[in-house]
Amino acid sequence: DAGVIQSPRHEVTEMGQEVTLRCKPISGHDYLFWYRQTMMRGLELLIYFNNNVPIDDSGMPEDRFSAKMPNASFSTLKIQPSEPRDSAVYFCASSRNSRGAGGYTFGSGTRLTVV
Amino acid sequence: DAKTTQPTSMDCAEGRAANLPCNHSTISGNEYVYWYRQIHSQGPQYIIHGLKNNETNEMASLIITEDRKSSTLILPHATLRDTAVYYCIVRGHNDMRFGAGTRLTVKP
Repeated sequence: DAGVIQSPRHEVTEMGQEVTLRCKPISGHDYLFWYRQTMMRGLELLIYFNNNVPIDDSGMPEDRFSAKMPNASFSTLKIQPSEPRDSAVYFCASSRNSRGAGGYTFGSGTRLTVV
Repeated sequence: DAKTTQPTSMDCAEGRAANLPCNHSTISGNEYVYWYRQIHSQGPQYIIHGLKNNETNEMASLIITEDRKSSTLILPHATLRDTAVYYCIVRGHNDMRFGAGTRLTVKP
């Protein structure tokens, strides 16, 4: 089991450019979560999916952010256009169903820098 | 989900037990207590979870009070590699929201 795989590990982009972050969850996990971490705001839940369907996107900061999960093995988080305040580490996590079934498995994160 | 309160930081001597407290006085009957830790620059790592009973695994023990309003994570023999931010989360739904956590520093 390779765990949750995120790409790229690091991304530096110029303000105004489109950024796409990618995540491959653990096979068999039917929940997928996107988090953002900054020093000021800590770990924030942006959106989560169940069986590829978005369940709660109330944490998505603005319309510039969008997330998709076209199939059970792939999800993307897109920022268009990017701004310097989007600089953060973005984590993807996956889990099996139910709150008692065990913990999330997190990926290694994508460190995004917007200049 | 119920809110949790944790100390901002704690120190522990290497080889000693680290006891990390968490208050969750508004927890409801169907909410689980989860603990994660995050070592610098890495993704959070699941440690343990429980509902009512005390739990133990290879990483730690979780002690939940009878009224479930607080819990303690115990690392029985802390090592320098246990230095991390530890998050206590009460999970009532399928999503989990992290607070500020406790920064544990294990000192030689």
